[in-house]
Amino acid sequence: GQQVMQIPQYQHVQEGEDFTTYCNSSTTLSNIQWYKQRPGGHPVFLIQLVKSGEVKKQKRLTFQFGEAKKNSSLHITATQTTDVGTYFCPIAAGNKLTFGGGTRVLVKP
Amino acid sequence: NAGVMQNPRHLVRRRGQEARLRCSPMKGHSHVYWYRQLPEEGLKFMVYLQKENIIDESGMPKERFSAEFPKEGPSILRIQQVVRGDSAAYFCASSSAGPLSEQYFGPGTRLTVT
Repeated sequence: GQQVMQIPQYQHVQEGEDFTTYCNSSTTLSNIQWYKQRPGGHPVFLIQLVKSGEVKKQKRLTFQFGEAKKNSSLHITATQTTDVGTYFCPIAAGNKLTFGGGTRVLVKP
Repeated sequence: NAGVMQNPRHLVRRRGQEARLRCSPMKGHSHVYWYRQLPEEGLKFMVYLQKENIIDESGMPKERFSAEFPKEGPSILRIQQVVRGDSAAYFCASSSAGPLSEQYFGPGTRLTVT
């Protein structure tokens, strides 16, 4: 079945710095979604990307879908402590969302 | 507009007992999903239900686990004869359209088997 790999697994960021996390799939995707899960919390939907090369912004977050629709990235600028959590990019295919291990983001104040 | 509700939030069961987890989807949502999450891991799909129908249960263990979404009332995930390995967070999600649309997650039920 389809699988997604997220890199890096862990991201230690100094407050105020930028960082990017990546999702890579071995197959072409019809769409990709991004979720954030705070420590001890539940996943919260952030965005869905559908079109090849699509770029969407939410304040300090920029999401991109690759031209070949096999990868996606999330770029966060001026990281804040509220950005702490695990970011997932599950693949939506068939009847389910297939989650990878996510990128766990830790922010150093 | 209440979100997805799950109860109980925490559940402790001894080995061999039964665990019943409840999920009320968001108002207007007829698609319900159950996921299991072990510590430090991603979520694993278990089952997808619509009212009175199981659409996809490919992620459900073959034995001891069952799910339902009756015409009236919440969706129930039932685990019979729990074992220590069942200890995990169980999340329910709902959506207004099918599984390819955005899903809204509940706060989860943390099951601990002693």
